[in-house]
Amino acid sequence: AQSVTQPDIHITVSEGASLELRCNYSYGATPYLFWYVQSPGQGLQLLLKYFSGDTLVQGIKGFEAEFKRSQSSFNLRKPSVHWSDAAEYFCAVGAIQGAQKLVFGQGTRLTINP
Amino acid sequence: EAGVAQSPRYKIIEKRQSVAFWCNPISGHATLYWYQQILGQGPKLLIQFQNNGVVDDSQLPKDRFSAERLKGVDSTLKIQPAKLEDSAVYLCASSSRAGPSAEQYFGPGTRLTVT
Repeated sequence: AQSVTQPDIHITVSEGASLELRCNYSYGATPYLFWYVQSPGQGLQLLLKYFSGDTLVQGIKGFEAEFKRSQSSFNLRKPSVHWSDAAEYFCAVGAIQGAQKLVFGQGTRLTINP
Repeated sequence: EAGVAQSPRYKIIEKRQSVAFWCNPISGHATLYWYQQILGQGPKLLIQFQNNGVVDDSQLPKDRFSAERLKGVDSTLKIQPAKLEDSAVYLCASSSRAGPSAEQYFGPGTRLTVT
């Protein structure tokens, strides 16, 4: 079965600084990979997804993520964060075969310093 | 386009009481999901419907949790009786098709506190 690890529970960055959120997955083949964002009191919103092809994927709100098969990673990046990016970020993996469901990581809470 | 609607937004009950949550998915979405999100954790799938049939309920505690999706549109998730460890946010999501590659659209969730 697939699994996801987000090593950082909480990250604080200054507004305007660059951001990288880590995600490592465990799965026997190339999975479907997603990043979702959850603002306080709201549901999850899809930022970007990777299925195949170009390993650098662009998403909404200026986010991008890079799939690295050799490292089983799918890290999320943004060159310059804005105060409105403060939220909880979840990486999720979907298996191509077997159980057809998404498995989410435990999340990384992002705080932005002014 | 209206999003996924959920009600109530907040609920406080005592242990051993019953509670029900309601979800209205995006119009035309055949697949509906219920997730449990415990504080500090990612969402965990409880049950997935395709139209009004159950696709996956392997992580649903069936001794106390039940869910239905009559007519393949709205869905209700019930807990009876509730335990303290059921305190969580219950998220409903929908997608236009089944499968792990489908984009899921989430509602705002229902925050349940069991005292």
